[in-house]
Amino acid sequence: EAAVTQSPRNKVTVTGGNVTLSCRQTNSHNYMYWYRQDTGHGLRLIHYSYGAGNLQIGDVPDGYKATRTTQEDFFLLLELASPSQTSLYFCASSDWTGVYEQYFGPGTRLTVL
Amino acid sequence: GDSVTQKEGLVTLTEGLPVMLNCTYQTIYSNAFLFWYVHYLNESPRLLLKSSTDNKRTEHQGFHATLHKSSSSFHLQKSSAQLSDSALYYCALSPQNFYFGKGTSLTVIP
Repeated sequence: EAAVTQSPRNKVTVTGGNVTLSCRQTNSHNYMYWYRQDTGHGLRLIHYSYGAGNLQIGDVPDGYKATRTTQEDFFLLLELASPSQTSLYFCASSDWTGVYEQYFGPGTRLTVL
Repeated sequence: GDSVTQKEGLVTLTEGLPVMLNCTYQTIYSNAFLFWYVHYLNESPRLLLKSSTDNKRTEHQGFHATLHKSSSSFHLQKSSAQLSDSALYYCALSPQNFYFGKGTSLTVIP
């Protein structure tokens, strides 16, 4: 069974704060993704990576940085958090992009006051 | 560019009635995959079914969908809605990268 974990599960910060969301997958998958989910917008891709040290820009990258330190670990960084970044964040992994199923983590609910 | 359209944002159905959630897409790639993901409250989104074969019905857990390349559609159907089907449903396209639609929130009422 594919496994993707995220931490923290909930986070509250203030405007201008620094936040790091963590994701780990134990599937030996090459691809990892960060999405945000908002009502009326669905799942929107922020950044993704196809291996350690690689980073690809998604559809809504502004205000976000990401880093893939190992095949297992993918981090999303908000260096100056804003209220517009209040959202539910999902990490996912897949063997290869395209054909293969994405496995999602449990999500991190971020609130920026 | 590549895109997915789910016209209905919210669908409310009475238990026992048929379900049909619409999905149309746009892509230049003839070998693209289409997916339906389901997201139950307080769970992770997960794959419901997928297809890349034209005019072939794909089924899983009582749901089915047929990819029609001529009309660029991949509608999700079920013959009889159950209360437990209440969830957020995403259609997704993958010619190379993944493109999710905005999702359709299905609520089934008694």
